[in-house]
Amino acid sequence: GAGVSQTPSNKVTEKGKYVELRCDPISGHTALYWYRQSLGQGPEFLIYFQGTGAADDSGLPNDRFFAVRPEGSVSTLKIQRTERGDSAVYLCASSLMAGGDSYEQYFGPGTRLTVT
Amino acid sequence: AQSVTQLDSQVPVFEEAPVELRCNYSSSVSVYLFWYVQYPNQGLQLLLKYLSGSTLVKGINGFEAEFNKSQTSFHLRKPSVHISDTAEYFCAVRKAAGNKLTFGGGTRVLVKP
Repeated sequence: GAGVSQTPSNKVTEKGKYVELRCDPISGHTALYWYRQSLGQGPEFLIYFQGTGAADDSGLPNDRFFAVRPEGSVSTLKIQRTERGDSAVYLCASSLMAGGDSYEQYFGPGTRLTVT
Repeated sequence: AQSVTQLDSQVPVFEEAPVELRCNYSSSVSVYLFWYVQYPNQGLQLLLKYLSGSTLVKGINGFEAEFNKSQTSFHLRKPSVHISDTAEYFCAVRKAAGNKLTFGGGTRVLVKP
């Protein structure tokens, strides 16, 4: 079946602009996660949703970052007033449910964001 | 909070030779441990995981890892690598009662013919 998809695959934007990154999880998965992977580093947790609500947004770096999942499926990560330091690969993952022993997180290919 | 250290940023290895990727973690609570592989331009793929039970865990593509609680380590091994194993490998932990993954910095494996 279809995996997690993310669009766009690449996004180049100018400093100060607003961007939206989209994630389409695996059908039926109720939990959705966003991670950020800076160059040469491992992914870092940003936020996760259980259904429509953000269950943990402790990883969002500041109030320029916001994410929504209005219908409990597709999620959008929104970044306002982008800065060069926001350049990274943004990864989305989904799992059947959150937590538990067997709920593997399946990752999408990521969106590479470059802020010039 | 949890943290993960992958001691080697790059590991060159010849085809058909064994490889070991080292991972150490710290946590004040019980954790689950994972190894993921990331091929170029692809998403992370789960290789194996340790939740409980036997400390030797076998995964896909011939990989295995051993959980050592006293040394807080979860090293990944493969007895004979292939060119196709060239990729970046990430060790990760998750609180047993939690959801989010904490990743190490990654180890890039380059398999040479």
